[in-house]
Amino acid sequence: AQSVTQLGSHVSVSEGALVLLRCNYSSSVPPYLFWYVQYPNQGLQLLLKYTSAATLVKGINGFEAEFKKSETSFHLTKPSAHMSDAAEYFCAVSDLVGSSNTGKLIFGQGTTLQVKP
Amino acid sequence: DTGVSQNPRHKITKRGQNVTFRCDPISEHNRLYWYRQTLGQGPEFLTYFQNEAQLEKSRLLSDRFSAERPKGSFSTLEIQRTEQGDSAMYLCASNEGLALSNEQFFGPGTRLTVL
Repeated sequence: AQSVTQLGSHVSVSEGALVLLRCNYSSSVPPYLFWYVQYPNQGLQLLLKYTSAATLVKGINGFEAEFKKSETSFHLTKPSAHMSDAAEYFCAVSDLVGSSNTGKLIFGQGTTLQVKP
Repeated sequence: DTGVSQNPRHKITKRGQNVTFRCDPISEHNRLYWYRQTLGQGPEFLTYFQNEAQLEKSRLLSDRFSAERPKGSFSTLEIQRTEQGDSAMYLCASNEGLALSNEQFFGPGTRLTVL
């Protein structure tokens, strides 16, 4: 079965500091991996995705993530945090192993990013 | 294109009542997903439609839950005899389904509170 683990349910950084949100996956097949962001009382918005092309993926709002097969990781980074980055971030893997092959997403538990002025 | 819409945005009900939520996906998206998100957790898959066919249901979807997607357009999720444990955010997502790597577009969700 495929799964995702996000290390750290809360991360706090100062404005302008590096953002690092950790995600490790488990998959018996090459995975499709996603990072979504959720602002309060809103749905999820895609930041970026990995689909077996380039291992360094650039997304919206200055975020990027690197797929490392040897470490089974897909950590999300941003060089300089902005106040508007405060939100909940979810790492997800597309279920490619399930019998119905629906592409449903399996999410991690999420990481709340706090940005201090 | 206005994105995925969900109604109502909030629903407060008493235990034992029935509730129905609606999801309008992006036009021409043939895949539609329902997820449930409880406080402090990531979304969990409930069910999936390809056009009008419901092709997968999670074991989280007890017999009190039913979902439909008539004509392959909007979808409804009904919960009968609601319980306090049903309190959650119910999210709908859609995509074109051309590839399993395709992004899912999420609606704003319906927050259910069962008193």
